[in-house]
Amino acid sequence: NAGVTQTPKFQVLKTGQSMTLQCAQDMNHNSMYWYRQDPGMGLRLIYYSASEGTTDKGEVPNGYNVSRLNKREFSLRLESAAPSQTSVYFCASSDLTRVNEQFFGPGTRLTVL
Amino acid sequence: DAKTTQPTSMDCAEGRAANLPCNHSTISGNEYVYWYRQIHSQGPQYIIHGLKNNETNEMASLIITEDRKSSTLILPHATLRDTAVYYCIVKHNNNDMRFGAGTRLTVKP
Repeated sequence: NAGVTQTPKFQVLKTGQSMTLQCAQDMNHNSMYWYRQDPGMGLRLIYYSASEGTTDKGEVPNGYNVSRLNKREFSLRLESAAPSQTSVYFCASSDLTRVNEQFFGPGTRLTVL
Repeated sequence: DAKTTQPTSMDCAEGRAANLPCNHSTISGNEYVYWYRQIHSQGPQYIIHGLKNNETNEMASLIITEDRKSSTLILPHATLRDTAVYYCIVKHNNNDMRFGAGTRLTVKP
């Protein structure tokens, strides 16, 4: 199993450009999450999807949109990138029946100039 | 959700036990204590979780005080590969985990 995969690994955008970060998991998990991590700080939840067909805002949703395409895939879209969105983005998934463990992807390092 | 307080940084000698404390004095009865760690630039990794009983797995032990207001993560024989940021999180379910700044553990030879 690949676990949680994220594409791309690195991306540089200019202010105002748009892009979509892709996330997929092969563990048949119900829930998926998007976090951002700024330098020297902990992770902050952007959006999550408790199950296919549902999405909810986390701590820092402004400037982002998400799509739970199917059970495997959860994408994060930046419609008009800003320098403040320069960060490392992590996707995670978990099984709702186990109150314990989120599995994280390797991250996407995004720089907005 | 209960807030947690952790020391900013700690050092530990290789081969010794690393004891990482966490205060969560406002924890409620149905909230679990989770520990994750993040090794440089990687995604966080789950370590252990507990409700009120002490827990042990292949990675670590979790000791929760009887009043549940604090806990300690114990890495019994720390290695250089255990150098990481350790996050203590209190949450009543698995959604919307709030990661604080964590404790930066440095294991020294």
